[in-house]
Amino acid sequence: DAGVIQSPRHEVTEMGQEVTLRCKPISGHDYLFWYRQTMMRGLELLIYFNNNVPIDDSGMPEDRFSAKMPNASFSTLKIQPSEPRDSAVYFCASSSTGEEGQPQHFGDGTRLSIL
Amino acid sequence: AQKITQTQPGMFVQEKEAVTLDCTYDTSDPSYGLFWYKQPSSGEMIFLIYQGSYDQQNATEGRYSLNFQKARKSANLVISASQLGDSAMYFCAMREAEDSSYKLIFGSGTRLLVRP
Repeated sequence: DAGVIQSPRHEVTEMGQEVTLRCKPISGHDYLFWYRQTMMRGLELLIYFNNNVPIDDSGMPEDRFSAKMPNASFSTLKIQPSEPRDSAVYFCASSSTGEEGQPQHFGDGTRLSIL
Repeated sequence: AQKITQTQPGMFVQEKEAVTLDCTYDTSDPSYGLFWYKQPSSGEMIFLIYQGSYDQQNATEGRYSLNFQKARKSANLVISASQLGDSAMYFCAMREAEDSSYKLIFGSGTRLLVRP
């Protein structure tokens, strides 16, 4: 079974550029989560969607960050303009409702470096 | 207050021995779930084991087991017969049911190093 697919795996870009991270959740999952992982702050939830609708974006750090989920099989996280402090690993995860104990399944992450 | 506390930033264990990674949590929700994830050096997050707050038995999954002590609000991960491939970061996480959200709250992690 295909897991959560993220692209790109690595992104290096210059400050001020627009960055777009992509995620394809597991088919049939109705929740999608975007996390950011840094040494200083650990794993932080940025935003999550239920049935393609953003539910909680309180973790999005600034207006420079935006996320969309146009359909059940695709989501993007965009940073515009990017800054060096945005350098981190960004994870997408998906899960399904229903049976208790359903874990969130994570993608392999995008390692983002802003120079 | 921290909802998930992992007090061991790093641990060593000898290959083939058992190791316990600590996790304590804080919640007033009677219904919650606890998860453990492994993050090897390659970076991916791998789900290991789940314990529900109403589960009567401690969860087990192969060499992984959870020492769930509800009154103490602890959910320690036990890895038996450690292998070199167990060297990784381990994260404890909690999901509370009260707001019908499926958010996970993560601890800061424990880095485990298995010595040959």
